Amino acid sequence: QQQVKQSPQSLIVQKGGIPIINCAYENTAFDYFPWYQQFPGKGPALLIAIRPDVSEKKEGRFTISFNKSAKQFSLHIMDSQPGDSATYFCAASITGTYKYIFGTGTRLKVLA
Amino acid sequence: GAVVSQHPSWVICKSGTSVKIECRSLDFQATTMFWYRQFPKQSLMLMATSNEGSKATYEQGVEKDKFLINHASLTLSTLTVTSAHPEDSSFYICSAPPVGWGGYTFGSGTRLTVV
Repeated sequence: QQQVKQSPQSLIVQKGGIPIINCAYENTAFDYFPWYQQFPGKGPALLIAIRPDVSEKKEGRFTISFNKSAKQFSLHIMDSQPGDSATYFCAASITGTYKYIFGTGTRLKVLA
Repeated sequence: GAVVSQHPSWVICKSGTSVKIECRSLDFQATTMFWYRQFPKQSLMLMATSNEGSKATYEQGVEKDKFLINHASLTLSTLTVTSAHPEDSSFYICSAPPVGWGGYTFGSGTRLTVV
């Protein structure tokens, strides 16, 4: 019940495409869902996050869609660029516990 | 924004020696910090939670005597890999909880190679 399932494992898109990464969870107590971007040899950096009281959040080219009833959330990257090539991790946590459950990661490659 | 500085960024050591990794919160105080381990092309695995002024809390399966954690001050946490062996080679990352709303802030990671 503590798992966060992430798919796909890897993804290749053309420049300008819209890659979509999906995550699913079981624990209904989770109330904070961040996405992290990680470049090789670097620590993860917070990209965007959402709480279950909204169904969508957009920041720049990055959008999170959240489906509370299905216990799923996804990351969309609009107008993807080669510089977006990185590994993306979703996570889930319960406010106040500070313990994140990470997804398994998606390696995204955007072709020029 | 909150910045977590981690050093060194990479280290190579001989088998049997110990290595210390430092994690500092630069512009905020962190009573709690987290240490993760990441194998190539895999997700982050939480190893332990370091608490300022008290003992660290280790996740199941993590050897306390091998991975010594010290939270000496409100801005510094250290991870010491003792008697390192090649299987300890990995990417180690620290992080601090959010200041107010927001997600964890991660350090830049330390690539440890034990030869």
